[in-house]
Amino acid sequence: DVKVTQSSRYLVKRTGEKVFLECVQDMDHENMFWYRQDPGLGLRLIYFSYDVKMKEKGDIPEGYSVSREKKERFSLILESASTNQTSMYLCASFNPGQGYNSPLHFGNGTRLTVT
Amino acid sequence: QKEVEQNSGPLSVPEGAIASLNCTYSDRGSQSFFWYRQYSGKSPELIMFIYSNGDKEDGRFTAQLNKASQYVSLLIRDSQPSDSATYLCARMGGNAGNMLTFGGGTRLMVKP
Repeated sequence: DVKVTQSSRYLVKRTGEKVFLECVQDMDHENMFWYRQDPGLGLRLIYFSYDVKMKEKGDIPEGYSVSREKKERFSLILESASTNQTSMYLCASFNPGQGYNSPLHFGNGTRLTVT
Repeated sequence: QKEVEQNSGPLSVPEGAIASLNCTYSDRGSQSFFWYRQYSGKSPELIMFIYSNGDKEDGRFTAQLNKASQYVSLLIRDSQPSDSATYLCARMGGNAGNMLTFGGGTRLMVKP
């Protein structure tokens, strides 16, 4: 079974803090994603990565950056947290070798509150 | 126009009835379509995917795809209270490439 692990289930941070959200997958997947989920807005893609050191902006990258130094780890960084970044953050991974029918495997999510 | 659109609901059905969840998409180049179920406070889990026109059945679930109408649906037969969740429609391919683009989800409530 594919396992996608997010380091924290709940986080509370102050405005202006630098925040790191970590995600690790154990199935050697090339593609990894960071989404945020807000009521009424569904899942929105922040950033994704096709390979080590590769990153691409998703639909809402502003205020975020990412790091992928190793294949299994994809980190989301909030350089200066703001209250509008309070949300549920979901990491996911995917094996493109299986084509368009491959499922996206999600982590358990990190609920971030910025005060 | 959103790339993937779903009615947010809630859709309320009695136990034992058929629940019909609908989804439309704007990119004709989309290749595959996925239905995820998400319980409150949990991460989404894959129920089914479909990429060919027509119906695909898996147990109580049937996914239907009509590429000409850019429409995909999920039918849940013999609905159970445990089916109460938010159902997310997603697509892959076309201008999204290997990314999944999600709809906003439909909240389903199955009443005993």
